[in-house]
Parts: sequence; C-alpha cells; structure tokens
Amino acid sequence: GAVVSQHPSRVICKSGTSVKIECRSLDFQATTMFWYRQFPKQSLMLMATSNEGSKATYEQGVEKDKFLINHASLTLSTLTVTSAHPEDSSFYICSARDSGGVWETQYFGPGTRLLVL
Amino acid sequence: AQSVAQPEDQVNVAEGNPLTVKCTYSVSGNPYLFWYVQYPNRGLQFLLKYITGDNLVKGSYGFEAEFNKSQTSFHLKKPSALVSDSALYFCAVRGQGGGYNKLIFGAGTRLAVHP
Repeated sequence: GAVVSQHPSRVICKSGTSVKIECRSLDFQATTMFWYRQFPKQSLMLMATSNEGSKATYEQGVEKDKFLINHASLTLSTLTVTSAHPEDSSFYICSARDSGGVWETQYFGPGTRLLVL
Repeated sequence: AQSVAQPEDQVNVAEGNPLTVKCTYSVSGNPYLFWYVQYPNRGLQFLLKYITGDNLVKGSYGFEAEFNKSQTSFHLKKPSALVSDSALYFCAVRGQGGGYNKLIFGAGTRLAVHP
C-alpha cells in the first residue's frame, strides 16, 4: 500500500531556532501534500496545501512566513518552523495524495512531535 | 459550509460485541466520506471511503460503514470488536468548491474495547 514517511519522528529544540520536518511518499508520486497540526485530544487542523513546483496554499490564520513549505519534488515536501516558540509545540502530520491513483484518498505520515523549550 | 460531527467523545464496548461510531455530515450535493483511525502517537490510517455506489462500504480490519443520505450519516461499524481496535477514529468529508482538495475532519471519537 501507499506509504508516507516523516522525519524526524520527534524533535526537541530551543526557542528561537528553526526546525525542518520532511514528508516523503515512498512508493508513489504526490503532486499534492498536506500539512496538519494536531493538539492533544483534538482533531487535525489543516495548515497548508503543498503543491509540487509551486507555492503552498495556506489556511486562514496560518503564518506563511513562520511555517515555510517547500515541495521541490514529487516525493518530498518539507515544513520548516522558523523561530520556534513554545506555543509551536504540537504534533505535525503530513499527508499525500497519490497522483496516479484514486485522488480522493490521502495517505498520512506517522507524525512528528515537536517540543520547543 | 461543509462540516462533520462526531457526537460521541468516547465509545466503550466489550470485546466481541458489535460497535458503532457515529458520524453525521453537512454538505451540499453528493458527499465524499472517509473514516480514518489513529493509534497513539501515530498518523492516520485509512479505513474506508464512500464516493458513490452501494451504501454499505467495507473497509480494512473488518470495519464497514453505512451511508444514509436521508439521515446525512456515515456510521462506522464492526460486528465483533477487538481490544486492538481501541484507538481514535476520525470521520472526514471532502471539501467542496474552492476547498475540493481538502479533507474536513470531525473532532474524533475514542473507542475503548474492554476485555
């Protein structure tokens, strides 16, 4: 089946530093990837839609200069949390839509837990 | 606007008993509906989807869901629950209009299956 990986799975950083999270589709190509944020015991909040070769589309209220998204290839999207602060601590999940498959299905990565001290 | 409601925060069921996790939706037109499961500290795993066709959809791990247009519901069911089914379940609907590319998730329902 379609597999999406994320790296790292867990990261702890100091306030003010930047953190990069990678999302890879391992066995399929994904022109579109999505970045979500999940708070404890809450649902997923879509942050942005990442489109290969073009700028990401951010949801209302999400700072594009703080959460930098790059989708340079059909199998890789990155999310960089710039100048991280403790309130950025969260569980970040990416998903990818199979370009060659049934587009309605999104495949999710295992998530990255970010803790900003 | 499209929305998904999961009215139960938690569902408790004994192992071997049937389980139902409820979901209702609000969209204009025909909905595309999904169920995902999330285990602790993990991403979401796809269970099943309804796009068109038979109202009863069968998915992974013995789960199924019934699409009911008149009641705008898409409840997740399993005839016999396992302890390993304990997890967080999310219902989702595909966005419409400018948001057709997105999934809109419900708040999630925690399923606890007791031995």
